[in-house]
Amino acid sequence: DIQMTQSPSTLSASVGDRVTITCRASESIDDWLAWYHQKPGKAPKLLIYKASSLQSGVPSRFSGGGSGTEFTLTISSLQPDDFATYYCQQYNNYPTTFGQGTKVDI
Amino acid sequence: EVQVLESGGGLVQPGGSLRLSCAVSGLTFRSYAMSWVRQAPGKGLECVSGISGSGGSSYYADSVKGRFTISRDNSKNTLYLQMNSLRAEDTAVYYCAKTTTVTMSGASDIWGQGTMVTVSS
Repeated sequence: DIQMTQSPSTLSASVGDRVTITCRASESIDDWLAWYHQKPGKAPKLLIYKASSLQSGVPSRFSGGGSGTEFTLTISSLQPDDFATYYCQQYNNYPTTFGQGTKVDI
Repeated sequence: EVQVLESGGGLVQPGGSLRLSCAVSGLTFRSYAMSWVRQAPGKGLECVSGISGSGGSSYYADSVKGRFTISRDNSKNTLYLQMNSLRAEDTAVYYCAKTTTVTMSGASDIWGQGTMVTVSS
């Protein structure tokens, strides 16, 4: 299975900060990568698909980039609603696999 | 509005079985692959199984291969996960998730609220 590694595991930030999360794949996945965020007790929510495509209804402060084995999720100006755990997911190979998560807290 | 509703979770003894169901409404069910993703308490996300829109293709994580079976009934707009030989490490919230494509190669854009499975004696 393809291993996905996120960094950092925890990120402390303030409202208005620009934050970037990195996700690395153990082998090339082209651009078959998605980003989700999840709040405690809730289901994950899709933010980005195909590495850089913004899911409908997701604010434009979220952006994704990268291809091959290295990817980034950037939040241009952190808002109170953005404090959550973020996961990347590769869907180039089966089974799809997730990164271990990055918790963004205050 | 698309709705995804899981059911069937509960407490089961090690070695026991459980069948999860996921009822989907508001879309053409057969046009989308589906998956089951679980999250153990305090842990990250693990995709345990996926199935194509037709039901002709499926995959499993190594951790459940040979014990879990995914299936779907497109006439009833329902996804299933039959879980046998359950272990303590299968304890998790199980989410049903809709994939953006008919094949299994897609992101998951709509998720249910999850159903809790607890394996304990």
